[in-house]
Amino acid sequence: EADIYQTPRYLVIGTGKKITLECSQTMGHDKMYWYQQDPGMELHLIHYSYGVNSTEKGDLSSESTVSRIRTEHFPLTLESARPSHTSQYLCASSEGASPLHFGNGTRLTVT
Amino acid sequence: ILNVEQSPQSLHVQEGDSTNFTCSFPSSNFYALHWYRWETAKSPEALFVMTLNGDEKKKGRISATLNTKEGYSYLYIKGSQPEDSATYLCASSTSGTYKYIFGTGTRLKVLA
Repeated sequence: EADIYQTPRYLVIGTGKKITLECSQTMGHDKMYWYQQDPGMELHLIHYSYGVNSTEKGDLSSESTVSRIRTEHFPLTLESARPSHTSQYLCASSEGASPLHFGNGTRLTVT
Repeated sequence: ILNVEQSPQSLHVQEGDSTNFTCSFPSSNFYALHWYRWETAKSPEALFVMTLNGDEKKKGRISATLNTKEGYSYLYIKGSQPEDSATYLCASSTSGTYKYIFGTGTRLKVLA
């Protein structure tokens, strides 16, 4: 069974703070993704990676950055959080053409 | 940008009713279509992966069809149960990429 973990589950933080959302998977999947979902809206792809040292921006412009130094780890960083970054962030991984396995998400609130 | 659309946006049905939803996607350079079920407070869970035109997949009371030439997929639920209440998402990708773009989802509520 798929194991993909996101931390923290909930985060409330003040404007201007730097934050990192963690995502780790234990399945050895080569592909990893970050999606953003505003309440009542669809999932928007903001970053993806095809493997170590490979990262690409998704279709939704985002001020966040990602890194993929290890296969299992795909953290997302916001250098200076703003209220417009308040959203739910979902991490996912996959192998080949298999379906995406999602983490439980991080619900971020920037005050 | 790949545009994936789903309809209806939401649906209320009575227990025992059968129902279906639509996912539309650009047909050019099609690679794969996924269907997911997303229950409240959980993460999206894969239902089907479909790649070939004319594909039909079935899992219990849920089935799906795929038409890649015209760019649509249908998801059917036979004899809906309250536990089927969830948001159903489809996601499509184009050949040469594994970039999955999601539709807005169909929120299904099955009334007991």
